[in-house]
Amino acid sequence: GENVEQHPSTLSVQEGDSAVIKCTYSDSASNYFPWYKQELGKRPQLIIDIRSNVGEKKDQRIAVTLNKTAKHFSLHITETQPEDSAVYFCAAIPGGSYIPTFGRGTSLIVHP
Amino acid sequence: DAGVIQSPRHEVTEMGQEVTLRCKPISGHNSLFWYRQTMMRGLELLIYFNNNVPIDDSGMPEDRFSAKMPNASFSTLKIQPSEPRDSAVYFCASSLGELEQYFGPGTRLTVT
Repeated sequence: GENVEQHPSTLSVQEGDSAVIKCTYSDSASNYFPWYKQELGKRPQLIIDIRSNVGEKKDQRIAVTLNKTAKHFSLHITETQPEDSAVYFCAAIPGGSYIPTFGRGTSLIVHP
Repeated sequence: DAGVIQSPRHEVTEMGQEVTLRCKPISGHNSLFWYRQTMMRGLELLIYFNNNVPIDDSGMPEDRFSAKMPNASFSTLKIQPSEPRDSAVYFCASSLGELEQYFGPGTRLTVT
C-alpha cells in the first residue's frame, strides 16, 4: 500500500519568514495530493491540493510543488503569520481509490 | 449546508461500556470515512464507505469496533466493549468521489 513520509515533525519560524514542509510517497499510482491544516482543537481543513498533471499550484501565500519522478511534494508558506500556527498534514490518494494515506503531520509554530 | 455533523462532541465512559458515535455526512456526498486521531499514532483511517457500502475496513483495530451506514445520511461507529486505549478523537469525513474531504468537528472519547 501507499506510504507517506512527512518532514519535519516540528517547524519553528519567525513571523515573516517562509516555511517549507516536505512529503514523499511510495505508490506511483497516487495522483491527488491534498494538504490539510488543523488548528488546535479543531478539525482538519483542506488548504490546497495538487493533481499529478500539474507541477505547481499557488494560492496567495501558499503553494504546493510536485515532483512525480522523485515522488515528493512540498508545501510552501511565505510571509508567515502567527495565525498560520497549526499542524499541517499531507496526503496521497491513488487514482480510483479515494482512500488517502496521511503523513504524520508537521507542527508549525510562527513566533511574533 | 451545515457540513458534516457528529455527535456526541464529547464522551466520557467507563471501561467495558458500549460507545456509539454518530455521523451525518454532507448531503450529496457518496464517500464517508471514519478516522481516529491520537498523539502517538496520528490520523488513522478506520473504515471507508462508498455509496453506503463498506469498501475498506482494514484499519478497524479489532472486533470490538464496528461501523454501519444504513443510508446515505447516517453512519455509526460502535465500540463494544470500550477500553482506555480507545481514548482518542474520532473524526468522520465525507466527500464526493475523490474530491476534497470535509471533516466533522470530531468526537473526543475518554474511556476511564
